[in-house]
Amino acid sequence: EVQLVESGGGLVQPGGSLRLSCAASGFTGFPFSRYAMHWVRQAPGRGLEYVSGISTSGDNKYYGDSVKGTVTISRDNSRNTLYLQMGSLRPDDTAVYYCVRQGFCANTNCYKSREFDYWGQGTLVTVPS
Amino acid sequence: QSVLTQPPSVSEAPRQRVTISCSGSSSNIGSYAVNWYQQLPGKPPKLLIYYNDLLPSGVSDRFSGSKSGSSASLAISGLRSEDEADYYCAAWDDRLNAWVFGGGTKLTVL
Repeated sequence: EVQLVESGGGLVQPGGSLRLSCAASGFTGFPFSRYAMHWVRQAPGRGLEYVSGISTSGDNKYYGDSVKGTVTISRDNSRNTLYLQMGSLRPDDTAVYYCVRQGFCANTNCYKSREFDYWGQGTLVTVPS
Repeated sequence: QSVLTQPPSVSEAPRQRVTISCSGSSSNIGSYAVNWYQQLPGKPPKLLIYYNDLLPSGVSDRFSGSKSGSSASLAISGLRSEDEADYYCAAWDDRLNAWVFGGGTKLTVL
C-alpha cells in the first residue's frame, strides 16, 4: 500500500524557517524515483492551494505564485524522501501541508495532465500573527 | 480568488442528482485534462475523477465527469449522505506554469 508520511510541521515564529519531509513507501511496479511529487496546502477552513512540484530526477521544479521565492522543493531518491524548505514564514502560510504523488508518466508530455493519485495525511504548520 | 471557478456550495435531496461546475480558461482547462478530488470532513483529499471522465478503481459509478471547452463538470447521481464532502477540480495552467485548483464546492445532502 502506498504511504506518504509527512513530518517537520509545527509552530514557527514569523520570519522563521522550516523543512518538511515526506517519507514514501509501498510503491509497487515503479520506484519512488519514477514519480513526480508535489506539495499542496490547505489553510484552516479554506480550499486546496498548490505549493510546489518536482520531476522524477529533480531537474524540473514548479512553484505556486504565493510561495515563489520563499520555498524550495527537493527530493532524495536514494532515501525515497521529498522535502520542502520553507523560509520567511508568514501567518498566511499557516496550513496543513500535504505530500502528493502524481500518477506514473511514461514521458514528459503527461506531467501536465496526470492526476494526483495518492495524498499523505498532512503536517500542520502554524505561524502565529 | 481561485483560477478555476466553482460554486461555493450545492445541495440536493437523497437519491437525486447534482452537478458541480468548474470554469477555467484556455491556459488551463481549455488545454489540459481536469481531475476531481473529494475531501471528506477531517480527511485528506482523495482522487475521484481523472483525465476529465475516468474513474479510479474503487470509485462508485454514481460519479461522472465531463469537459467541454474551458469548463468541466462533476455529476453525482443517487445522492447519499456519505457523499457530503468538499469537491475540488484541478488542472495544469500554462500561464502560471503550475497546477491550479478550484475554490472547492461543499456538497450538502438534504
